[in-house]
Amino acid sequence: LAKITQPISMDSYEGQEVNITCSHNNIATNDYITWYQQFPSQGPRFIIQGYKTKVTNEVASLFIPADRKSSTLSLPRVSLSDTAVYYCLVGDNAGNNRKLIWGLGTSLAVNP
Amino acid sequence: KAGVTQTPRYLIKTRGQQVTLSCSPISGHRSVSWYQQTPGQGLQFLFEYFSETQRNKGNFPGRFSGRQFSNSRSEMNVSTLELGDSALYLCASSSRGPLNTIYFGEGSWLTVV
Repeated sequence: LAKITQPISMDSYEGQEVNITCSHNNIATNDYITWYQQFPSQGPRFIIQGYKTKVTNEVASLFIPADRKSSTLSLPRVSLSDTAVYYCLVGDNAGNNRKLIWGLGTSLAVNP
Repeated sequence: KAGVTQTPRYLIKTRGQQVTLSCSPISGHRSVSWYQQTPGQGLQFLFEYFSETQRNKGNFPGRFSGRQFSNSRSEMNVSTLELGDSALYLCASSSRGPLNTIYFGEGSWLTVV
């Protein structure tokens, strides 16, 4: 099973780019990498998902190196509203042997 | 498309009582998972149901149980409540394809006094 580590907390300022790295050394061939954002008292919200190389959507980019042992969530030009906890999820959602491993979350504080 | 719906949103129970939480998944999703989240803690996996069968289970005592109905709606039950059961209980649904795209409800806040 993949063991996941991510920084406990990060600080940034409005307008900066924030990169949060997740380490998953034992990632399996079928595993996808997914990132979620969670605000207080709410359920986690899907941000982005990838398998390898780079994925970009309207809110973030996800960089995955060739060995896939880590991944980096990149948030461009953060604002105060990006203050939240960000979770890295690794696993294979299909089949009876489905295993989803969650990181403990990175608490991002965006300062004015 | 409606999201994952959880009821009730907030509830207060007394030690020793039991509680039932309900979850309606996104239409078409047959997998429902439950998580416990305590303040400052990450997501602790409780169990997952797919097609009315429990497929995976986390490391929680037998006081925590669940079930899924034929329409994919799910309930979880906690019996003999303890103060430490106070938490946000999150339900998530997915289509159980190869992608990890699971969608969460807003959660049910349980306070045990």
